Amino acid sequence: DAKTTQPPSMDCAEGRAANLPCNHSTISGNEYVYWYRQIHSQGPQYIIHGLKNNETNEMASLIITEDRKSSTLILPHATLRDTAVYYCIVRPPMDSSYKLIFGSGTRLLVRP
Amino acid sequence: EPEVTQTPSHQVTQMGQEVILRCVPISNHLYFYWYRQILGQKVEFLVSFYNNEISEKSEIFDDQFSVERPDGSNFTLKIRSTKLEDSAMYFCASNLERSSYEQYFGPGTRLTVT
Repeated sequence: DAKTTQPPSMDCAEGRAANLPCNHSTISGNEYVYWYRQIHSQGPQYIIHGLKNNETNEMASLIITEDRKSSTLILPHATLRDTAVYYCIVRPPMDSSYKLIFGSGTRLLVRP
Repeated sequence: EPEVTQTPSHQVTQMGQEVILRCVPISNHLYFYWYRQILGQKVEFLVSFYNNEISEKSEIFDDQFSVERPDGSNFTLKIRSTKLEDSAMYFCASNLERSSYEQYFGPGTRLTVT
């Protein structure tokens, strides 16, 4: 499984964009990048995923570099409710059970 | 929007007692999971379940643990003889598609073993 590296913590001002980086330099050509978040004491929440192309949904945008060795999750207008731990997870397209393997993530603090 | 529910939200039990944690996955989902998170630590995979059998289990999921889908809606995790180190948040998750890591998590059950 490809290893991911994320900064332990970040902060941003409310209303500004939050850009959360993730390094996955050992990613294989067919592995997907998934992002989840965990608001304090709640269950993890799926945000977005991608393979090569940039992706956008109602929650966030995912930018994957051309060499796929890193990615950035963008929350375009962060709110206080976006304060959470954000996890970048790399997974193969086929797995015995499609389990998620969580790392330590990035603790994002959105300041008023 | 459909959601995964878990009961109870908090369970306190004495060491050696059996506990059953309950989950109601999203109704049309077919794949079910249990994860746990010890306070201050990472979320850890315990077990996955599909078609009434375990697909995969982690090293944590030893003989003291079992899972069951007793009817068409509930998914349970049983710990036969709890230990102090079983104290954690236990999260149930489900997903619809086989080839997807897009899982929907419940709010968790906080298990405290005294």
